Amino acid sequence: EIVLTQSPGTLSLSPGERATLSCRASQSVSSSYLAWYQQKPGQAPRLLLYGASSRATGISDRFSGSGSGTDYTLSVSRLEPEDSAVYYCQQYGYSAMYIFGQGTKLEVK
Amino acid sequence: EVQLVESGGGLVKPGGSLRLSCAASGFTFTSYTMNWVRQAPGKGLEWVSSISSATTYKPSADYADSVKGRFTISRDNANNLLYLQMNSLRADDTAVYYCARRDTLGWFYFDYWGHGTLVTVSS
Repeated sequence: EIVLTQSPGTLSLSPGERATLSCRASQSVSSSYLAWYQQKPGQAPRLLLYGASSRATGISDRFSGSGSGTDYTLSVSRLEPEDSAVYYCQQYGYSAMYIFGQGTKLEVK
Repeated sequence: EVQLVESGGGLVKPGGSLRLSCAASGFTFTSYTMNWVRQAPGKGLEWVSSISSATTYKPSADYADSVKGRFTISRDNANNLLYLQMNSLRADDTAVYYCARRDTLGWFYFDYWGHGTLVTVSS
């Protein structure tokens, strides 16, 4: 079974800086099936990126993704306080299973 | 506007049962694979179950190993409803349960989520 490991666990940055969040898979996965979500406290997750790098409808171009094989990255440029949230990567794998990483908490203050 | 509204959560004793519902609107429900995803308090996201769109010859269901044999997903396409029947509930089933729509283009991501319903399993 594929495991997605996200790092760092917590990232604290200042407004205007750039955040780089990592998602590493225990074995090679298809970039087509790699998605990123943002979840703010008390809210449902929101889709940010799919196919590793394609932005979902309405998502700011400050959010970008890259990667292939086992290593994927979510970048958030020009950080704003409203970007504070937990970010999850998700992959669709074999046996029709959807797997989430454990999340990275981003604090912008 | 796409809307997913869950209901049916609550407090249940270990070993008990509960049925969650998700009312869908704003899109052609029959065309989409629908899912349940849960989140234990203070924890991350865990996919629970998936049921294929009604356009397939025989809708199929998949389950996470942690719920296989205890949970059953189903859908009422006439009324745009998704269900999750949960039996033999355990304390570690305590979570917010989200209904989520999967994309139709084969990218396997969840593009819309409900606000969730809380299930608490405790004696």
